[in-house]
Amino acid sequence: AQSVSQHNHHVILSEAASLELGCNYSYGGTVNLFWYVQYPGQHLQLLLKYFSGDPLVKGIKGFEAEFIKSKFSFNLRKPSVQWSDTAEYFCAVNAGNFNKFYFGSGTKLNVKP
Amino acid sequence: EAGVAQSPRYKIIEKRQSVAFWCNPISGHATLYWYQQILGQGPKLLIQFQNNGVVDDSQLPKDRFSAERLKGVDSTLKIQPAKLEDSAVYLCASSGRDRLSGNTIYFGEGSWLTVV
Repeated sequence: AQSVSQHNHHVILSEAASLELGCNYSYGGTVNLFWYVQYPGQHLQLLLKYFSGDPLVKGIKGFEAEFIKSKFSFNLRKPSVQWSDTAEYFCAVNAGNFNKFYFGSGTKLNVKP
Repeated sequence: EAGVAQSPRYKIIEKRQSVAFWCNPISGHATLYWYQQILGQGPKLLIQFQNNGVVDDSQLPKDRFSAERLKGVDSTLKIQPAKLEDSAVYLCASSGRDRLSGNTIYFGEGSWLTVV
């Protein structure tokens, strides 16, 4: 069965620190990859997505992610986090014939001012 | 472009009562999903529709949950009778093909259910 793994469940950083959140998936075929963010009390919003082409994709608010096919990974990065980045981050994979989306369990990021 | 609309936003019911949630997807999106998100966990797919047909309902507790998508647009999710463990956010989402390529899933604001 397809799965998405986010190994960091809870990350605490100070403002201006660099961020990297891990995401690994298990699916051997063609995939589309996404990161979603959920701010406290709000709904899931798209942060960035990868369909094809340049494996380094840039999203909103200074976030970027790199697709490494050989490692089945799609890690999220930000050079310098802000307090307003405090949220939960979900990695998702779109794969298979029936437009299925599989979500990781999420990583809670807490940025200290 | 309007997003995914859900109602009600919040609902508190007693156990064994029933509740229904409504969803209107983004116009033109053929695929509609209902997810359950329990606090501290990722979204769990309950049911997926393609137009008005069910693609996947393998994780839907069919003894108490039901969903329909008549005419391939709006959808309702019903829980009857509710249990305490059904307390969660029920997310409706839809997906469609972007102009460039691929599919992206968009979420509504969710319906927060508390069962007491």
